[in-house]
Amino acid sequence: DAGVTQSPTHLIKTRGQQVTLRCSPKSGHDTVSWYQQALGQGPQFIFQYYEEEERQRGNFPDRFSGHQFPNYSSELNVNALLLGDSALYLCASSFTTANEQFFGPGTRLTVL
Amino acid sequence: DQQVKQNSPSLSVQEGRISILNCDYTNSMFDYFLWYKKYPAEGPTFLISISSIKDKNEDGRFTVFLNKSAKHLSLHIVPSQPGDSAVYFCAASIYSGGGADGLTFGKGTHLIIQP
Repeated sequence: DAGVTQSPTHLIKTRGQQVTLRCSPKSGHDTVSWYQQALGQGPQFIFQYYEEEERQRGNFPDRFSGHQFPNYSSELNVNALLLGDSALYLCASSFTTANEQFFGPGTRLTVL
Repeated sequence: DQQVKQNSPSLSVQEGRISILNCDYTNSMFDYFLWYKKYPAEGPTFLISISSIKDKNEDGRFTVFLNKSAKHLSLHIVPSQPGDSAVYFCAASIYSGGGADGLTFGKGTHLIIQP
């Protein structure tokens, strides 16, 4: 049984560009959450998707947007990249009725 | 304002002894708490969790204790093994609207198991 997968593993972009990160949830999970982890910090909640809609959002600007597909996979889009967007982006999947979330390996984004 | 705090950035423990990792929270609405373990270049791995209606949950070498009045929880690892060396994150959530909300994490504690 495959766990949560994310692509790409690493990504280098320049300021002002746009980026799309992808996530496939653990088999059977219907909810996907995205987190940003800066160096030396804990993961920060960006938003959560359930039934193809944004269910909850953390304290992130509108430059961060997402999408969930009918097969429960998800994308995270970031527009107008800033140097401060450089971080590890983590995707987590869960059953919507459960508290436990299971994380993928993350995508390391570097903005130059 | 940090709602989940792990005040020890690092902790060094001898192999075979008990490791105790601490976590404090400020939001009384949190009703579920989780511990994750993270190795470099990997995503966090779920370890153990506890509901706010309990004060203890045990799974093998791992035990989590919750003191609601003090808004404090701790993770005990007995006995500590070299493979336990990792960063440990405390996280909290609120169950609302028919689903569990996004997790709020602490900054982590780097546990080092000395041989």
